Amino acid sequence: AQTVTQSQPEMSVQEAETVTLSCTYDTSESDYYLFWYKQPPSRQMILVIRQEAYKQQNATENRFSVNFQKAAKSFSLKISDSQLGDAAMYFCAYRSAGGTSYGKLTFGQGTILTVHP
Amino acid sequence: GAVVSQHPSWVICKSGTSVKIECRSLDFQATTMFWYRQFPKQSLMLMATSNEGSKATYEQGVEKDKFLINHASLTLSTLTVTSAHPEDSSFYICSAPVQRAAKTQYFGPGTRLLVL
Repeated sequence: AQTVTQSQPEMSVQEAETVTLSCTYDTSESDYYLFWYKQPPSRQMILVIRQEAYKQQNATENRFSVNFQKAAKSFSLKISDSQLGDAAMYFCAYRSAGGTSYGKLTFGQGTILTVHP
Repeated sequence: GAVVSQHPSWVICKSGTSVKIECRSLDFQATTMFWYRQFPKQSLMLMATSNEGSKATYEQGVEKDKFLINHASLTLSTLTVTSAHPEDSSFYICSAPVQRAAKTQYFGPGTRLLVL
């Protein structure tokens, strides 16, 4: 079974600064997907960024980028130029690329991000 | 983009009653939907996988007689909490994978259940 670990229960950052959220995972599979989801106070889950394991290039989405280290099974999220609206709980998630567990997500424990003005 | 809705958004019920939560995919068909449970400031815990036209698959430790799941059509899955007790109070979220959207998954807005 796959596991996802987020070792930072809480993080804080000043507005306009950069912050990195950590995530490690454990799997014996070679093909999978990794995600970062954001859950603001409304509790609506929002996809932030996605990484396919077979791609070596790190994914980027505007101010959000990841550092994907497949051998180390590490998948960190960097938020640049942090904004007040970035304040939320962030979840790292793993998904197998196929098989009987298709579509099933395994989530990390979450990291609460506070942005200070 | 793909949208998933849930109804109701919040519900209060008395202990011993049953509560039904609906999850709908609004602009796409979902042969599979997932139901999660989330406690405050904690992660999402997968409860079960809802499959259209067949029985749901429950995660270990989830009581299938307690949490009844019916995938009535390609756009609707329901979760019924039977004989609810205060410990069933939680935030319930459904999601559906979207094939055409590069294998991403869309989440409903969640349902807050309070059992008195």
